[in-house]
Amino acid sequence: DGGITQSPKYLFRKEGQNVTLSCEQNLNHDAMYWYRQDPGQGLRLIYYSQIVNDFQKGDIAEGYSVSREKKESFPLTVTSAQKNPTAFYLCASSIGVAADTQYFGPGTRLTVL
Amino acid sequence: QQPVQSPQAVILREGEDAVINCSSSKALYSVHWYRQKHGEAPVFLMILLKGGEQKGHDKISASFNEKKQQSSLYLTASQLSYSGTYFCGTVVGRSGSRLTFGEGTQLTVNP
Repeated sequence: DGGITQSPKYLFRKEGQNVTLSCEQNLNHDAMYWYRQDPGQGLRLIYYSQIVNDFQKGDIAEGYSVSREKKESFPLTVTSAQKNPTAFYLCASSIGVAADTQYFGPGTRLTVL
Repeated sequence: QQPVQSPQAVILREGEDAVINCSSSKALYSVHWYRQKHGEAPVFLMILLKGGEQKGHDKISASFNEKKQQSSLYLTASQLSYSGTYFCGTVVGRSGSRLTFGEGTQLTVNP
C-alpha cells in the first residue's frame, strides 16, 4: 500500500532536548511538507521541500530544522530553540507543489514536559 | 493571505444541510477542501480549479465563485460520519504558489 508514515505517534521529551520526527512516503511524490497544529487551530506550515537536497521555510520555521537527503524521507527536528513545541505535527506530500493535492500522514503528537 | 472560513462552528441534526464558506482577499488559482476527525490526519475531499466546474461526490459538493474569490462546501442530508473539522486550503495567483489553510470549521452532526 502506498502512503505516508510518521513515527512515533506519541512522543514525550524533556524541555531543552532536541527531538526528531520521522516522515516517510512511498508515493513517489516530489514535494513534502511539515505542518504544526495546535488545539482548535488550523495547519501552519513549518518547512517544505520540492526536490531532494532543497527545502524552504514556511510561516513558522524558527526553532525547527529539516533535511531532505532522500526523496522518500523528510525528517523534522524540533530544537531547544522552539519556545513552545508541544503540538500535533503533520507531514504531507504531493506530486508537485501547491496546485496538487496534499496527502497527510497520521501525525505525531509531541509533548514537552 | 490565510483564507477566512465561516462559520467557525456549526451543529446539525442528522439529515440537515450545511454550507461552509472560504474567502480570500487575493485572486485564487485553486481551492482544496479537507476533513479532519479529532486526533487524525486531514483527508482530502476535493479540489476546485479556477475556471473549473462545481465538484461533488455523494452528498458533499463545492463551488468556486471567481468573482467573489470564494468557495462554498455544501453538505446535504448530513450523516453522523460528516462530523469533524473542515479546512479549506487556497492557492493564490499562479499555480506555483503555496497552499495556505484556513482555521477550520467545526461541524457536529447529532442524532
